[in-house]
Amino acid sequence: GAGVSQSPSNKVTEKGKDVELRCDPISGHTALYWYRQSLGQGLEFLIYFQGNSAPDKSGLPSDRFSAERTGGSVSTLTIQRTQQEDSAVYLCASSTDRGGQPQHFGDGTRLSIL
Amino acid sequence: SQQGEEDPQALSIQEGENATMNCSYKTSINNLQWYRQNSGRGLVHLILIRSNEREKHSGRLRVTLDTSKKSSSLLITASRAADTASYFCATAGNTGFQKLVFGTGTRLLVSP
Repeated sequence: GAGVSQSPSNKVTEKGKDVELRCDPISGHTALYWYRQSLGQGLEFLIYFQGNSAPDKSGLPSDRFSAERTGGSVSTLTIQRTQQEDSAVYLCASSTDRGGQPQHFGDGTRLSIL
Repeated sequence: SQQGEEDPQALSIQEGENATMNCSYKTSINNLQWYRQNSGRGLVHLILIRSNEREKHSGRLRVTLDTSKKSSSLLITASRAADTASYFCATAGNTGFQKLVFGTGTRLLVSP
């Protein structure tokens, strides 16, 4: 597709379970970002990938959160031992990262922890 | 918090009226971007203004930037019901990549 694709669109799981969220960026975009948006709030930066460079993980809230990007394309955000405070919309974005370029967002995964 | 602040938090107007949203931020920036978010959807990029620019236009949108006051405004002219959405400003610092710091957003309701 032409845009950023995220799956699943909705995920409901029990506290303590692990979850994996997937992001397919726009083809050719070298930069990929994960954000978290809590209800009625702005976006909180989580992690950034740029090409083959080491990712910037400075926004990950705890060691239960991890992400990888395989082959410079698809990315997976994993949350282990989920807690209720992890409930949020997780948004992925990609860009050409040529400096000063807009980010293109997927529609997000709405994660609900019971 | 790293987030900037936007005001108002919510704005309700009639179709045809203009809507103005303001954004303040805390650190020096490379550029400032405005995004729109419809309910249940991702963000859509509207306009980007660089730190050396003062004003920019795109269709019915007008953005201003005052780096001395660390503030920006988004004006939507002749609003339409379809403009109903949340609007976020986001700043990019001078760190060499585009980690955006988002404001808390303005919820705009345009009534027919």
